[in-house]
Amino acid sequence: SQQGEEDPQALSIQEGENATMNCSYKTSINNLQWYRQNSGRGLVHLILIRSNEREKHSGRLRVTLDTSKKSSSLLITASRAADTASYFCATGHGSSNTGKLIFGQGTTLQVKP
Amino acid sequence: GAGVSQSPSNKVTEKGKDVELRCDPISGHTALYWYRQSLGQGLEFLIYFQGNSAPDKSGLPSDRFSAERTGGSVSTLTIQRTQQEDSAVYLCASSLSRGPSTDTQYFGPGTRLTVL
Repeated sequence: SQQGEEDPQALSIQEGENATMNCSYKTSINNLQWYRQNSGRGLVHLILIRSNEREKHSGRLRVTLDTSKKSSSLLITASRAADTASYFCATGHGSSNTGKLIFGQGTTLQVKP
Repeated sequence: GAGVSQSPSNKVTEKGKDVELRCDPISGHTALYWYRQSLGQGLEFLIYFQGNSAPDKSGLPSDRFSAERTGGSVSTLTIQRTQQEDSAVYLCASSLSRGPSTDTQYFGPGTRLTVL
């Protein structure tokens, strides 16, 4: 299976603390994306990092990518209760203009007020 | 602008019945994807459409599953003779298809299918 793995599976922190989630994958990728999901419904796109990029920032989010280790991390700084959700990494594959996403199992983050 | 929409939001059916799930992608998006999310399997790719190219059906779990995309826009996912293991949230996504390195997929709210 090409499916990625994420750790930890669950993370509980206090508001204001930083949260770090890790993702590993198995095959070469075009890009890696992070999504957030609330209440088991729609996925919200957070950030995309290309295979030739090493780090990317968006607001309180910082994503790193290490293609030699086939791993990525998502850091959420100064967490808020509203950040409570499940977070998924997804890797983009394929040589054409588009491609399916292969999702990790997700990390459930709880931010306590 | 409007995002990806899906209907119905919830569907309860009896084992053996056929169901149709609908997806309206974001206007102008040429690529459309179907995924399934269930407790035991996580998020799984099912099928994707790209313009007029033949769809990638590599993720469909059985021949009871099929999908169409008419006129390059709306898509319907059909499950025939539903089984209890088909119970899941079915998610649709679309993208602009600007290139493999930068293509971002935007997801709809999903259809929760329950097979009794």
